[in-house]
Amino acid sequence: GAVVSQHPSWVICKSGTSVKIECRSLDFQATTMFWYRQFPKQSLMLMATSNEGSKATYEQGVEKDKFLINHASLTLSTLTVTSAHPEDSSFYICSAATGNEKLFFGSGTQLSVL
Amino acid sequence: AQKVTQAQTEISVVEKEDVTLDCVYETRDTTYYLFWYKQPPSGELVFLIRRNSFDEQNEISGRYSWNFQKSTSSFNFTITASQVVDSAVYFCALRGYSGYALNFGKGTSLLVTP
Repeated sequence: GAVVSQHPSWVICKSGTSVKIECRSLDFQATTMFWYRQFPKQSLMLMATSNEGSKATYEQGVEKDKFLINHASLTLSTLTVTSAHPEDSSFYICSAATGNEKLFFGSGTQLSVL
Repeated sequence: AQKVTQAQTEISVVEKEDVTLDCVYETRDTTYYLFWYKQPPSGELVFLIRRNSFDEQNEISGRYSWNFQKSTSSFNFTITASQVVDSAVYFCALRGYSGYALNFGKGTSLLVTP
């Protein structure tokens, strides 16, 4: 079946640094990818929807300047957390939609900002 | 607006007991899709089922069964003869007619003890 690869699976960084998370669809082209955020013992909250070749659409309350999303190709979307702070520590999950409307999730990235 | 409510935050059962996880949804769309995902401690989301709004037939897959009741806007999930490996957080999710983004409930944490 379709696979979505997300890297890294975990990252620890110092406050003020930027962190990039990659999401790749390995055997299909994903015109649309989604980024979710999950705090401990909480639900997954949609952060943004990214379409290949266009600007991402951010959900209300999500800072677009802080969470930079790039979807430069049909198989790769990246989320960059800029100037990360401890409150950005969270579990980030990407998902990719196939042409037949199926949705596949990456394995997630645990970000810890010290 | 779309909303998914999983009223049960945590459930604890003893192995071999049956357990039902509740899911109630709200949507104005006449066409919509409902999902259940399992999230084990490792974090990845495991797809369990997708059901569209036109198909109210209940479904059984091994020890798993789902009861879709449009009249009560519910899509409940039952695990029969639970096993320790079933311990995880289970999310119910809703997708509207347009777009692929999922709205997740807050999840139900299931603990199955030997």
